[in-house]
Amino acid sequence: QKEVEQNSGPLSVPEGAIASLNCTYSDRGSQSFFWYRQYSGKSPELIMFIYSNGDKEDGRFTAQLNKASQYVSLLIRDSQPSDSATYLCAVRGSSGDKLTFGTGTRLAVRP
Amino acid sequence: GAGVSQSPSNKVTEKGKDVELRCDPISGHTALYWYRQSLGQGLEFLIYFQGNSAPDKSGLPSDRFSAERTGGSVSTLTIQRTQQEDSAVYLCASSSTGGGDQPQHFGDGTRLSIL
Repeated sequence: QKEVEQNSGPLSVPEGAIASLNCTYSDRGSQSFFWYRQYSGKSPELIMFIYSNGDKEDGRFTAQLNKASQYVSLLIRDSQPSDSATYLCAVRGSSGDKLTFGTGTRLAVRP
Repeated sequence: GAGVSQSPSNKVTEKGKDVELRCDPISGHTALYWYRQSLGQGLEFLIYFQGNSAPDKSGLPSDRFSAERTGGSVSTLTIQRTQQEDSAVYLCASSSTGGGDQPQHFGDGTRLSIL
């Protein structure tokens, strides 16, 4: 079992729709969870981070965390073509400060 | 500078040569991380620095890889006797502290190609 798992996609949604990206993790002691956006050929850019169970909203983005089920998700409302990118889920586990990344979900927003 | 700076942005070298990759973190950030990303793959952790010491170097793939950090700022990742499987994008990130709640901010990376 991979430590951090994401569906590789591509996830295709029409412009204006809600995109839902999911991530599961294996280390039950994980405390910090991050979502990064990566455009092709570019470096990862921090979108959201969440530490507590529940929802955290920032503009069109909402991160959701459920530690009991060991999953974290990212919702993107009113999706735009400029949101088309790979979204990386990253988890800081219980054993140190490094981040463990999933392989990413590719999102395509159709105009 | 305003962000994490890495150099060179691209490096092409022959198999067997040594390479040095440089990272200049965000000013004041004490924690520095090296990752690598192979084509179509996720990010793979290499090493973490807190100040000048490296409490976690568990991701270095072999003894051909080494890294140092001086003055609590610039870090250099050295790969000796490069192999073709070393080809990847090497990314550096920094955070204000090494604490679990501090997000990491990435540089633009060095794209390393081994011929």
